[in-house]
Amino acid sequence: QSALTQPRSVSGSPGQSVTISCTGTSSDVGGFNYVSWYRHHPGKAPKLMIYDVSKRPSGVPDRFSGSKSGNTASLTISGLQAEDEADYYCSSYAGRYTYVFGTGTKVTVL
Amino acid sequence: EVQLVESGGGLVQPGGSLRLSCEASGFTFRSYWMTWVRQAPGKGLEWVANINQDGSEKYYVDSVKGRFTISRDNAKNSLYLQMNSLRAEDTAAFYCARMVVTATGENWFDPWGQGTLVTVSS
Repeated sequence: QSALTQPRSVSGSPGQSVTISCTGTSSDVGGFNYVSWYRHHPGKAPKLMIYDVSKRPSGVPDRFSGSKSGNTASLTISGLQAEDEADYYCSSYAGRYTYVFGTGTKVTVL
Repeated sequence: EVQLVESGGGLVQPGGSLRLSCEASGFTFRSYWMTWVRQAPGKGLEWVANINQDGSEKYYVDSVKGRFTISRDNAKNSLYLQMNSLRAEDTAAFYCARMVVTATGENWFDPWGQGTLVTVSS
């Protein structure tokens, strides 16, 4: 049950794209197509942004997209906006009804 | 509106106990798995435990097994986390979240509550 590895921080100017990686193992990210991504503003409720690797919930802008290759999942934010500045966490199903989260990435809009 | 509101956090001494509650509204609580997730100060999110619709299945992260117990009362639309033998490293904001688990296995956490803070210190 080790945390998934994410970069500590990424940054970009408004309008640019940023990509956050999420690396796990064949027991979690690589073994299941159940990776989800959450945006978290400190002190507030985390919000679901992507589920099942690449699906967007209703209400989430199509600027947010997800993908996966092997043991690494990725979240891409296109057309970066000031409101996107937050912490982002990936999560993966890890079998036997257990889950693991990523270490978290702070997205900064320059 | 689907809403989750946690309560019960506070300051407790090492070795002590605390019971967290999560009151749900705006959806059919008894139809969903539920989960607890925590975030220690300056750290990332950590899945803690989950429970199925009727409370017959419960799963925990290794670090809390034998110390924490997740439970629910569907008549009260409430989720609980009984925490015993608390340690300094349990200090965290605790969030409850609804788990969506589909018939084909897809699963995710949505929505989440705003959290309740637990501080374990002497």
